[in-house]
Amino acid sequence: GAVVSQHPSRVICKSGTSVKIECRSLDFQATTMFWYRQFPKQSLMLMATSNEGSKATYEQGVEKDKFLINHASLTLSTLTVTSAHPEDSSFYICSASIRNTQYFGPGTRLTVL
Amino acid sequence: EDQVTQSPEALRLQEGESSSLNCSYTVSGLRGLFWYRQDPGKGPEFLFTLYSAGEEKEKERLKATLTKKESFLHITAPKPEDSATYLCAVHSTQGGSEKLVFGKGTKLTVNP
Repeated sequence: GAVVSQHPSRVICKSGTSVKIECRSLDFQATTMFWYRQFPKQSLMLMATSNEGSKATYEQGVEKDKFLINHASLTLSTLTVTSAHPEDSSFYICSASIRNTQYFGPGTRLTVL
Repeated sequence: EDQVTQSPEALRLQEGESSSLNCSYTVSGLRGLFWYRQDPGKGPEFLFTLYSAGEEKEKERLKATLTKKESFLHITAPKPEDSATYLCAVHSTQGGSEKLVFGKGTKLTVNP
C-alpha cells in the first residue's frame, strides 16, 4: 500500500517552454501532497505544500508564478514549471501524506537545454 | 529552528560488518522522526517512524532507535544491496505549516 507515482520520469525541454509533472497517489487519497527539489548529492528541499481544493503554500524563496501547483483531486497534484531555464534543471520529487507519514514518488529528472 | 544533523556523511562497510548511523535533532515538540532509504535517481522509500524516546522498530537487517536528542539506525550484517543513502527527517510545524525537515543523509556503501 501507499504507492505514489510520478509522470514523466524524465523530460528534456528547450529553454522558455513549460513542463508539467503529475503526482498521483495510487491506492489512497491524500488531502496533502508535497513537492521537493533535489540537487546532486544534496538532500530534499521542500518547495511547496499542496492541499486539495485550495491554494498551495510555497516555501520562502520559491516563486509561485514560476512553479504552478494544482491539486484538483484527492489523488492528483501537478507541478508546472513555467518558462523553464537551464537553472531549473533538477530532480523533482513529490510525496503524499497519509496517517502522518509521507510516501514519495519515484521522481522526475528535468533537463532544460 | 528545527534541525536535523546526520553523521557520518559517508560510510563504507564490508559485507557482514555491522554499524550504526546517527541522526541528531532539535525540534520544538517531536511529532515523529522518520527514516527513509534513497537509491540513486529514485525517490525516498519509507522505512520507519518513531514517536517517543525508547521506541524501537525493526525491519530485516535494520533497527531504528530513538532518544530525546537523537536516533540511530543500526545495520546488522549488511549486504551489498543495503547500499543507499539513508535520510532522517523530523516532523516540524515551524513557520505555521506542517512539513518534514530532512538531514543531508548518510551514504552507505557495502562492499562484497
